[in-house]
Amino acid sequence: EVQLVESGGGLVQPGGSLRLSCAASGFTFSSYWMSWVRQAPGKGLEWVANIKQDGSEKYYVDSVKGRFTISRDNAKNSLYLQMNSLRAEDTAVYYCARARITMVRGVIIACIFDYWGQGTLVTVSS
Amino acid sequence: SYVLTQPPSVSVAPGQTARITCGGNNIGSKSVHWYQQKPGQAPVLVVYDDSDRPSGIPERFSGSNSGNTATLTISRVEAGDEADYYCQVWDSSSDGVFGGGTKLTVL
Repeated sequence: EVQLVESGGGLVQPGGSLRLSCAASGFTFSSYWMSWVRQAPGKGLEWVANIKQDGSEKYYVDSVKGRFTISRDNAKNSLYLQMNSLRAEDTAVYYCARARITMVRGVIIACIFDYWGQGTLVTVSS
Repeated sequence: SYVLTQPPSVSVAPGQTARITCGGNNIGSKSVHWYQQKPGQAPVLVVYDDSDRPSGIPERFSGSNSGNTATLTISRVEAGDEADYYCQVWDSSSDGVFGGGTKLTVL
């Protein structure tokens, strides 16, 4: 059974930092792209970042570029999201998701989030 | 940036058919995926690649995609289908894109 368990959320002041973790089990972690998706309170889903199996390719939504860093440790079956310079608008539940990627000539043309964790809440407030 | 437009809400009586649309420029050229999210829970994939169902998802859930509109169809709606539904695509310029979500109410 695929399981994704996020941790590391909490209350942080604007401008602060936080590192989220996602522990994966039930599948061969190193064989899959992984993603972070967030959901602000009462709002819809927003894709945040993707990382390739070996960590060699990373993609970010424009609003977090230069502030967030996605990474992974395949030996530990773990996914991470380092969040710096946090803003109030980053307040959200952050979900870890397994991604099934279709690429054509090195370009992603489709991305399916087929399994999701239960999420961890990040609150940015003074 | 690429935008997906969903109706905020759809209401349907039990046993009837619910259709939730997802509009986007030439969305028929993209692979569309649909997620169900019940209150307080994580999203669950219910349809992928326009019309395929993951294992464990009832045949009552189906999808189609053509032109500028993709549609999630839920046949013989049950009370347990009440949830928010999101469409999603990958776009070359916007990367991961979700629709704004549709709240399905079972009357």
